[in-house]
Amino acid sequence: DAGITQSPRHKVTETGTPVTLRCHQTENHRYMYWYRQDPGHGLRLIHYSYGVKDTDKGEVSDGYSVSRSKTEDFLLTLESATSSQTSVYFCAISEGDRGEKLFFGSGTQLSVL
Amino acid sequence: DAKTTQPTSMDCAEGRAANLPCNHSTISGNEYVYWYRQIHSQGPQYIIHGLKNNETNEMASLIITEDRKSSTLILPHATLRDTAVYYCIVRALAGNMLTFGGGTRLMVKP
Repeated sequence: DAGITQSPRHKVTETGTPVTLRCHQTENHRYMYWYRQDPGHGLRLIHYSYGVKDTDKGEVSDGYSVSRSKTEDFLLTLESATSSQTSVYFCAISEGDRGEKLFFGSGTQLSVL
Repeated sequence: DAKTTQPTSMDCAEGRAANLPCNHSTISGNEYVYWYRQIHSQGPQYIIHGLKNNETNEMASLIITEDRKSSTLILPHATLRDTAVYYCIVRALAGNMLTFGGGTRLMVKP
């Protein structure tokens, strides 16, 4: 299995609080992604990164920001969490810019009350 | 990227071949067909991908029709551990976003 660690695995927080999810990889892959998964919506891309300090938006980026200061770490921040951001969040990595093989982490279950 | 259509759910007997269809009638010439699966509570797992030729690896075979408008993922000897949601995705090789639709929920039964 690809070396991808997501933390925390579970988090419960209150509306309006900031939340940061971390994705750490040991594969030295250039590309990293954050997806969210909700019933009836499949997986939707939030943000992705194609290198240190290089990031771009996905299809559901509103309310989220990301940072990548090191190759191995990709952080997803909810500046002010809302109940609509209750979801399972998956981090993924890929070696090249083609992204044909994504390797996913185990996910973070986030509940915003 | 082209849209895909998959059955919502399928059953398969353990030990038999599981054949999962996918329609992608609007696929363009530079778009590949990818298959991923997601076992309950886990992250998706890459299975296989192809352009126009049939492909086989240790997990599965991918059969793409000559007109490339549909494909079939074949798990040759399904086991209970193959119970999962299977996603068929069509995407050009250049570009970083994989769009996951609803997928097919495969239930392998004893």
